[in-house]
Amino acid sequence: LAKTTQPISMDSYEGQEVNITCSHNNIATNDYITWYQQFPSQGPRFIIQGYKTKVTNEVASLFIPADRKSSTLSLPRVSLSDTAVYYCLVGSLMDSSYKLIFGSGTRLLVRP
Amino acid sequence: NAGVMQNPRHLVRRRGQEARLRCSPMKGHSHVYWYRQLPEEGLKFMVYLQKENIIDESGMPKERFSAEFPKEGPSILRIQQVVRGDSAAYFCASSPDLAGGRTDTQYFGPGTRLTVL
Repeated sequence: LAKTTQPISMDSYEGQEVNITCSHNNIATNDYITWYQQFPSQGPRFIIQGYKTKVTNEVASLFIPADRKSSTLSLPRVSLSDTAVYYCLVGSLMDSSYKLIFGSGTRLLVRP
Repeated sequence: NAGVMQNPRHLVRRRGQEARLRCSPMKGHSHVYWYRQLPEEGLKFMVYLQKENIIDESGMPKERFSAEFPKEGPSILRIQQVVRGDSAAYFCASSPDLAGGRTDTQYFGPGTRLTVL
């Protein structure tokens, strides 16, 4: 499974847009890109998933360039409650075992 | 639709005792995954099960750890003769069946925090 690289931490302020970029140079043809959010003492929560170009849902947008070697999670107008760890994962949905590999994630701190 | 349920939420055991962690997947989900998380680290895959079958246990320690997902009832992660290094948060996730042998997004439970004294 492809290894991902993302910033260890980021700071932002309420109301700003936050973009977290993840590198996955060895992504395979069948791999999807998935982002999870984790609050302290809670399980990871699925945010968004994509394969190429742009995906948008009610929570975030995911931008994936044509070469798919990186992706950017965009959180519009963050609030204090968006303070969490964000994980970028890549993996194939065609495997019989979809084994999620979590890195250390990006710790986002949203300040008032 | 209730989410993934895990119990207990907190479990304290003394060295040498057994720990049993339970996971009830979301309704309609037949795939269960167990992960372990140490403080300040990401989750580490342990085992993937479908009903009555272990599909992938490549992340499970060879000794003392076992998992099952019986036809009826929750999935169980069992740790025998616990040691201090087993102290961690253990998360269960589930996903539904999809056509064509594909798997799908995993949804996580709240976790069980195991403390070994």
